[in-house]
Amino acid sequence: DTGVSQDPRHKITKRGQNVTFRCDPISEHNRLYWYRQTLGQGPEFLTYFQNEAQLEKSRLLSDRFSAERPKGSFSTLEIQRTEQGDSAMYLCASSSTGPPSLFFGSGTQLSVL
Amino acid sequence: AQSVTQPDIHITVSEGASLELRCNYSYGATPYLFWYVQSPGQGLQLLLKYFSGDTLVQGIKGFEAEFKRSQSSFNLRKPSVHWSDAAEYFCAGPEMNRDDKIIFGKGTRLHILP
Repeated sequence: DTGVSQDPRHKITKRGQNVTFRCDPISEHNRLYWYRQTLGQGPEFLTYFQNEAQLEKSRLLSDRFSAERPKGSFSTLEIQRTEQGDSAMYLCASSSTGPPSLFFGSGTQLSVL
Repeated sequence: AQSVTQPDIHITVSEGASLELRCNYSYGATPYLFWYVQSPGQGLQLLLKYFSGDTLVQGIKGFEAEFKRSQSSFNLRKPSVHWSDAAEYFCAGPEMNRDDKIIFGKGTRLHILP
């Protein structure tokens, strides 16, 4: 069990650029979640997958955000035309089916200049 | 609607003193609840979870939590804190009427005095 891994750990980009983050969940987990966390706040739900199906996307997410989980394995989160307000920690978590115990990766810290 | 709330933004205790961090929840049915800890710049680590059964739950690092339905609470406790316990603590639980979507409280920052 290698845990949940996220890449990159840090990303600095200029406003208007596109960025993509990757998450590799625990191998036997079929659920994968993305959260966003800003300073002094708890993680905010963005979206989640069960296997390859995206079952929910937060209404707070603009159309600039998209996530995929091809073949139900790793997932990518893409932000197009980044804005300064996108600066945050992006956390990935995975769980098995049933009452989910989420296991988190170390996160990707995004800074938009 | 927010399902879990953490009333304390900051808590300061002396090293060696006991600790209690508060969490309140709002559900109709018996919920399942979690406590997570986060060190600066890191992801969240699961401390303990309550699903059903015994209302006193033991976790890692010497933490425990007690589910009290009458008070709608799931407070985290530790009898004697160590300087390494300084971190942010999050209570979490399912969104109302969901069992697949976990939402988090705003967190409590724990400060330890030497």
